[in-house]
Amino acid sequence: AQKITQTQPGMFVQEKEAVTLDCTYDTSDQSYGLFWYKQPSSGEMIFLIYQGSYDEQNATEGRYSLNFQKARKSANLVISASQLGDSAMYFCAMREGSWTGGFKTIFGAGTRLFVKA
Amino acid sequence: NAGVMQNPRHLVRRRGQEARLRCSPMKGHSHVYWYRQLPEEGLKFMVYLQKENIIDESGMPKERFSAEFPKEGPSILRIQQVVRGDSAAYFCASSPLQGANEQYFGPGTRLTVT
Repeated sequence: AQKITQTQPGMFVQEKEAVTLDCTYDTSDQSYGLFWYKQPSSGEMIFLIYQGSYDEQNATEGRYSLNFQKARKSANLVISASQLGDSAMYFCAMREGSWTGGFKTIFGAGTRLFVKA
Repeated sequence: NAGVMQNPRHLVRRRGQEARLRCSPMKGHSHVYWYRQLPEEGLKFMVYLQKENIIDESGMPKERFSAEFPKEGPSILRIQQVVRGDSAAYFCASSPLQGANEQYFGPGTRLTVT
């Protein structure tokens, strides 16, 4: 079964507008972490934002915010005021595990974002 | 403060040869993770190592693949007798703690098997 589901293979957004990238997850752990990474065409993985399962406030980092809805098991990324440089692949990821057994990060299939001028 | 370093950035191997991928974690980080990314797919966890120990290798193929993180020097991902299906980008990430909130990724090594 898919642990991380990103249902949008590709998204288009007009420059300066906001866009929401969807992510749902599946875990039976009480404690877990959710991440978003950006992968531009150059290939590197850039960390954007983190949300802990016990965090009550939605995480924000500059133009990025994470819309965390725990009951629905969703962790959507909102990018405000899109820029041309935001065109990239975006991956949602979840860290699960334990202090005794170790942690691993599971990635979704990604959403490719195209920002139009 | 240098980030996670991986070399080589690009590696071409013929079928049957060995591939060695190196990862130097960020200074002060003793936890290393290896991931594989096939074209147009997300990253798949392969192995998690601490210095001199393999903690979780549940994502490693049973044959031909091995990883180590010695006391001194970089972490090495070794693929013996490569096949075309091994062509992928291999990413290394490091963290200072086992449950750190983020993992810092290296630029990746793109392996092409001809």
